[in-house]
Amino acid sequence: KAGVTQTPRYLIKTRGQQVTLSCSPISGHRSVSWYQQTPGQGLQFLFEYFSETQRNKGNFPGRFSGRQFSNSRSEMNVSTLELGDSALYLCASSLAGFLGEQYFGPGTRLTVT
Amino acid sequence: AQTVTQSQPEMSVQEAETVTLSCTYDTSENNYYLFWYKQPPSRQMILVIRQEAYKQQNATENRFSVNFQKAAKSFSLKISDSQLGDTAMYFCAFMEGSGGSNYKLTFGKGTLLTVNP
Repeated sequence: KAGVTQTPRYLIKTRGQQVTLSCSPISGHRSVSWYQQTPGQGLQFLFEYFSETQRNKGNFPGRFSGRQFSNSRSEMNVSTLELGDSALYLCASSLAGFLGEQYFGPGTRLTVT
Repeated sequence: AQTVTQSQPEMSVQEAETVTLSCTYDTSENNYYLFWYKQPPSRQMILVIRQEAYKQQNATENRFSVNFQKAAKSFSLKISDSQLGDTAMYFCAFMEGSGGSNYKLTFGKGTLLTVNP
């Protein structure tokens, strides 16, 4: 079974731009969660989608948004990029959300200059 | 607000020995979940072990076990017979909420564990 894939793996953007990251879950998984990992703030939960609906949300500003498609693939969008948005963005998929085992992707490394 | 504290930024252990990683959390809730995640160098994060707060029995997964002290709000991870492949960053995580749509998930800062040959 193929694992969780994230595209692109690396991205460089300029402050003020917007960016869209993609996550393809394991086949059959309906829950996709997104996380931001930085050296300063550590690992922080962004949001979770289940069957195309945002089900859980962390404490991030509205510049961070996401969506999930009918095939469970998910995208995360960050608008008006700031230098502090530079991070490793991880997504994870599972059958049952947080209470089930989450399978993580390799992450997208976003650098904002 | 929830807080999760991992007081040991870095630890090291000799291969085949036992090591314990500490984690404390703060909550006023009675029902919640605790997790340990492992992030090996340049590899995907994986779930190591999970504990439901309403279960008194400590969770065990092969060489990994937890010592869950609910009153003390402590959730330590014990790795027995350490292997080189256990070298990784370990994150403790706390989740509270109910109904599938009201969860709050908080991670500790992580402990970098190095297993030496």
